[in-house]
Amino acid sequence: DTGVSQNPRHKITKRGQNVTFRCDPISEHNRLYWYRQTLGQGPEFLTYFQNEAQLEKSRLLSDRFSAERPKGSFSTLEIQRTEQGDSAMYLCASSLGPRGEETQYFGPGTRLLVL
Amino acid sequence: DAKTTQPNSMESNEEEPVHLPCNHSTISGTDYIHWYRQLPSQGPEYVIHGLTSNVNNRMASLAIAEDRKSSTLILHRATLRDAAVYYCILRDESGGSNYKLTFGKGTLLTVNP
Repeated sequence: DTGVSQNPRHKITKRGQNVTFRCDPISEHNRLYWYRQTLGQGPEFLTYFQNEAQLEKSRLLSDRFSAERPKGSFSTLEIQRTEQGDSAMYLCASSLGPRGEETQYFGPGTRLLVL
Repeated sequence: DAKTTQPNSMESNEEEPVHLPCNHSTISGTDYIHWYRQLPSQGPEYVIHGLTSNVNNRMASLAIAEDRKSSTLILHRATLRDAAVYYCILRDESGGSNYKLTFGKGTLLTVNP
């Protein structure tokens, strides 16, 4: 069990550029989540997948954001035409098990800075 | 998921017990109580969860009030490595396809040497 990994760990980009983040979940986990965390706040849910199906998207996920999980394995989160307000820590988590007792395992996050 | 209320911050001394409170007065019968913590510059990590009975694991203990409207996370001997933000979260077993965690601001625990 190598845990959830995220790449890159840090990303600096200029406003208007596109960025893509990758998350590799724990191998047997069928659910994968993306959260966003800004300074001083708790993580906020963005979207989640069960296997390859994207089952829920937050209203925070504007049309500039897209997430995929091809073949139910790794996932990518792309932000198009980045804005300074997109600067945040983007966290990925994976899980397995019944809802009430489910434990989500988080990766270290990708810190995005939009200049 | 129902709402929780936690103090913004707490302070403790190293090797002393720490009791982190959480109020959840609108908890429903199918809500599990989960605790996560987030160390500086890391993603959150699971600590413990329970439904009605008190729970113990290698990291902490969870004491749940008889009416389930409050709970307390207990760190038996705080270390400097326990300095983190602690989140109390309710998870509804009957929530259908809603699997997301809803984080509040949590409690920032400072541990003094």
